[in-house]
Amino acid sequence: GAVVSQHPSWVICKSGTSVKIECRSLDFQATTMFWYRQFPKQSLMLMATSNEGSKATYEQGVEKDKFLINHASLTLSTLTVTSAHPEDSSFYICSAPFVSDTQYFGPGTRLTVL
Amino acid sequence: AQRVTQPEKLLSVFKGAPVELKCNYSYSGSPELFWYVQYSRQRLQLLLRHISRESIKGFTADLNKGETSFHLKKPFAQEEDSAMYYCALSVGAGNMLTFGGGTRLMVKP
Repeated sequence: GAVVSQHPSWVICKSGTSVKIECRSLDFQATTMFWYRQFPKQSLMLMATSNEGSKATYEQGVEKDKFLINHASLTLSTLTVTSAHPEDSSFYICSAPFVSDTQYFGPGTRLTVL
Repeated sequence: AQRVTQPEKLLSVFKGAPVELKCNYSYSGSPELFWYVQYSRQRLQLLLRHISRESIKGFTADLNKGETSFHLKKPFAQEEDSAMYYCALSVGAGNMLTFGGGTRLMVKP
């Protein structure tokens, strides 16, 4: 089956620093990947659609200059949280569609900003 | 804009009891509806989708366009069904998902 991985699984950083999160489709290619954010005890909220070879599409209210997305290849999308602040602490999850457009989700990355 | 509502944050039942997790959606067109499940310490995974009309792990869900609902049902709950369940909706191309708030199902022995 299709597998999506994320790295790192947990990152702790100081306020003001930037953090990069990777999302990889391990055994399939994905021209599109999706980034979600999940706050504790809340549901997943779509942040942006990552498009291979073109700019990402951001959801309303998501700052594109703060959450930089780069879809460098058909198997890799990265999300960079720039100048992170404590309110950015959250669980970030990516997904990619495969066969019948079923979404396969990564295990998530827990970001803690001190 | 589309919206998915799961009215119950927590549903607790005894093993062997019937289970129904409610999901209502708002969208004027023809959406595609899904149920995703997240077991403890595991990633989100697809449980079923309405176009497949199949039963997975004993769960079924029927799309009711009149009531704009997609409730998830299982006649006899098992302890291993305890998990977080999310109803989600996809519209048009692009496959982006709009999730409901989730329902935690606890099946007691």
